[in-house]
Amino acid sequence: QVQLQESGPGLVRPSGTLSLICAVSGDSISSDTWWSWVRQSPRKGLEWVGEIYHTGATNYNPSLKNRITMSVDKSKKQFSLNLSSVTAADTAVYYCASQGGHQEFDHWGQGTLVTVSS
Amino acid sequence: DIQMTQSPSSLSASVGDRVTISCRASQSISTYLNWYQQKPGRAPKLLIYAASSLQSGVPSRFSGSGSVTDFTLTISSLQAEDFATYYCQQSYSPPVTFGQGTRLEIK
Repeated sequence: QVQLQESGPGLVRPSGTLSLICAVSGDSISSDTWWSWVRQSPRKGLEWVGEIYHTGATNYNPSLKNRITMSVDKSKKQFSLNLSSVTAADTAVYYCASQGGHQEFDHWGQGTLVTVSS
Repeated sequence: DIQMTQSPSSLSASVGDRVTISCRASQSISTYLNWYQQKPGRAPKLLIYAASSLQSGVPSRFSGSGSVTDFTLTISSLQAEDFATYYCQQSYSPPVTFGQGTRLEIK
């Protein structure tokens, strides 16, 4: 059973960069699985942010494409999210999640609240 | 992006009731439709994938149906632990998108 755990700063200044890490356990990060970030805010609800494969291949939400970078570190069994030039609109609970064969999100981390504020 | 619209937005029901929640896609998504349950302060939990396949460990009182643009989540006999918010999600075309949620409350 795969387990996911997010970590990172809970407060980011406007125009700064949001950086989060998701640690993967109970499954190989090199398995045939896409690893995703999903965020949730009262304003926009649940929003898919992006996904990464263990090869480093990525797909991003076009609404964030110019600000987002994802990477994977197989030796540490973790993947990460960097979102630059943040504004208050990026305030949300950020979840990491794994995807099943039908692109459903079958396992989720507990989520971490990131607030963008000065 | 494909828009997902759920109805109703909220619903009051009693333990033992049969409940249905609808989800409509703005264009055809075949059966690339998933359902999640979320309780306050918790991550969403996958209930149904591919429109009608029950995720392992999910009680059989949950079922899903539909195809193309119209989908339904049914809870055959509500239990106390089922009061939560439910979301549909399309995985047919990137970016994947979610419905706005249906809040199921105790009557």
